[in-house]
This record gives sequence, C-alpha cells and structure tokens, in this order.
Amino acid sequence: DAGVIQSPRHEVTEMGQEVTLRCKPISGHDYLFWYRQTMMRGLELLIYFNNNVPIDDSGMPEDRFSAKMPNASFSTLKIQPSEPRDSAVYFCASSYKRYTEAFFGQGTRLTVV
Amino acid sequence: AQSVSQHNHHVILSEAASLELGCNYSYGGTVNLFWYVQYPGQHLQLLLKYFSGDPLVKGIKGFEAEFIKSKFSFNLRKPSVQWSDTAEYSCAVTAINSGNTPLVFGKGTRLSVIA
Repeated sequence: DAGVIQSPRHEVTEMGQEVTLRCKPISGHDYLFWYRQTMMRGLELLIYFNNNVPIDDSGMPEDRFSAKMPNASFSTLKIQPSEPRDSAVYFCASSYKRYTEAFFGQGTRLTVV
Repeated sequence: AQSVSQHNHHVILSEAASLELGCNYSYGGTVNLFWYVQYPGQHLQLLLKYFSGDPLVKGIKGFEAEFIKSKFSFNLRKPSVQWSDTAEYSCAVTAINSGNTPLVFGKGTRLSVIA
C-alpha cells in the first residue's frame, strides 16, 4: 500500500477563496482523521470518520470548514471562504480500528494571503 | 474528554546527551498511548506504542517509553541522542471503551540536537 495520500502538498491562496484538500486513506482502514498543525497549538483534531460517517466534528473551528467522505477511499476538507488565520499544515490520517495507531499522510501546507 | 500535556516546548541537547520528554494525560480509564516523530519536511511516523503488558516499551532508533499508570505518564527516553534525532515529538492518547475522541495529541516537543 502506498500509505495515506494527500493532495496538494502545498497550497497558496488568496483570502476569500475556496480551498479543497484531498485525502486517500489506506485501503481497509475504517477510520479517517483530519488534523491541523500549528506552532502554537500542535496537532488539533478537526473531524474524524468511521466507515465514511462523520463521528465527531467538534474540532472544526467554524462553519467555513466542512469535510466529506463520499466513499471509503476518498475524503475532502473544504474551507470556504479561507482566511489568513487558516494558514497551517493539514494532515489526514487513517487507522484500522479506533484504538490502533494512525498512519499519516505527508500533509498539505496551506498559506492564505 | 481526555487531554495530553507535554511539558517542554523546545529542548536543545548536545550529541550523546540523554533525553527524556514528558507526557501526561488526563483520563482515568484504560488507554492506548503513542509517541510520534516528525522529522523536518516529513510526515508523522509512529515511534512506539503501548497497548498493554510490559509498561516499558521499546521503539525504533533506540527510543523507549515507560507507562506509569499511577502518574498518568508516558515519558519518552533515549540514552544517547544523535544529530539525526532532531525532530518534533508528539505524544497521543486514545481512551479505550469510551465515547471519547480517539488519538488526542499533546502540543509536541521540538528537539534540537547540536554537535
């Protein structure tokens, strides 16, 4: 397996634009997580899915953030409209079970100017 | 909900020095514990994990961690660091048999190893 695949690796966008981050989890993993990493706050869980169903989105900072998982092999995290304070590295991760280790993608470095 | 505290934001060590990074969590039930490492420009990789059994866990690259249940701690150690250990280290906890959010991370500790 190629591991968790995220795209794009880097994204620079202007404030107010829509941003879509993509993730392909490891095949057979039931759980998918979206994290945001900043210097000040470390890794924050935004939302996680179990079998494509969102379980907990309490970490999503605002209504501008939304996430979907239309099937077992694809998920998106969308920010609309984007703001400079959204600049961070966004990681997608997947795990086989809820309590097992998660495998992380390479991350998307988002810069909103 | 559980939380994780990592005591040091940035640690600077000379090569061959010993390392201990603190990690404490707040949850009274059964937990699975993890340490992840993120080398510059790379993604997070699992360093070691504790599920059950021997509380002293050995991971890759000479790292080990000890689970002390009474102290709610899972500190990471290495007897002699190398320059290549320069990285971000993050502790994470998942509460078992609960509805709590899985895989909650601490804020991370940046380790800089100097020659």
